[in-house]
Amino acid sequence: QQQVKQSPQSLIVQKGGISIINCAYENTAFDYFPWYQQFPGKGPALLIAIRPDVSEKKEGRFTISFNKSAKQFSLHIMDSQPGDSATYFCAAGGAAGNKLTFGGGTRVLVKP
Amino acid sequence: KAGVTQTPRYLIKTRGQQVTLSCSPISGHRSVSWYQQTPGQGLQFLFEYFSETQRNKGNFPGRFSGRQFSNSRSEMNVSTLELGDSALYLCASSPGSGARYNEQFFGPGTRLTVL
Repeated sequence: QQQVKQSPQSLIVQKGGISIINCAYENTAFDYFPWYQQFPGKGPALLIAIRPDVSEKKEGRFTISFNKSAKQFSLHIMDSQPGDSATYFCAAGGAAGNKLTFGGGTRVLVKP
Repeated sequence: KAGVTQTPRYLIKTRGQQVTLSCSPISGHRSVSWYQQTPGQGLQFLFEYFSETQRNKGNFPGRFSGRQFSNSRSEMNVSTLELGDSALYLCASSPGSGARYNEQFFGPGTRLTVL
C-alpha cells in the first residue's frame, strides 16, 4: 500500500515539446505530492509540489495535475529545453512526518 | 541560505567495516531525513529525525542507525557493511513544522562503495 508507480521509465522529446510523466499511488493517507529533478552526480532538487485540495498547480513551465478520485498525478513540462534533460521523480508523503515514498523515476532526454 | 551539506562525498569501505556519514541541514531546519538511492531499488526512505528524536523509520535492518544533535546536524551509521550497501546516501532537510513543514531539500549525497 506504500507504492508509487511512475511511467514512463524514459522519454525522448523534441525541444519545444511537452514532456508528460504520470504517477499513481495506492495509500489514501498520502497528502503531499512533490516532484524532484535529478542531474547525474547531484541530489534531487524539489521542483514543484501539490496537496489534494487543488487539482492543478503551475510554476513557470512546470505544471502538476492531480486527480484525487483516480489516485493519480502527473507532471507536464511545457516548452521542453535541452537543459531539462534529467531524471524526474514523483513522490508521496503523509501527515506523519517526512517519510517520502518515491516513484521509480523517468529519464527525460530533450533533443535540440 | 547555504544548502544541505554532506560529508564525506565519497567513501570506499570493505565488507564487515562500519561507516558514519554526516549531514548539516539548512539553517533553521529541524528535520533531517535519510534516503538510500540504488539503481535497482531507487530512492528508499531510511529514517527521519526531528528535534533529536527519530520520528519515522523505513524498512531497513538494524545495522542502519542514525542520530541528531541539538544543532540539528545528523549522522547515520551503517555497521557490518555488506556489498549491497553500496549506494548513494542522501540527506534531506526540512523545516519540520509550520506551513511548509515537509518540503524536503536534498544534499549532494555520499557515494558509498563497499568492496
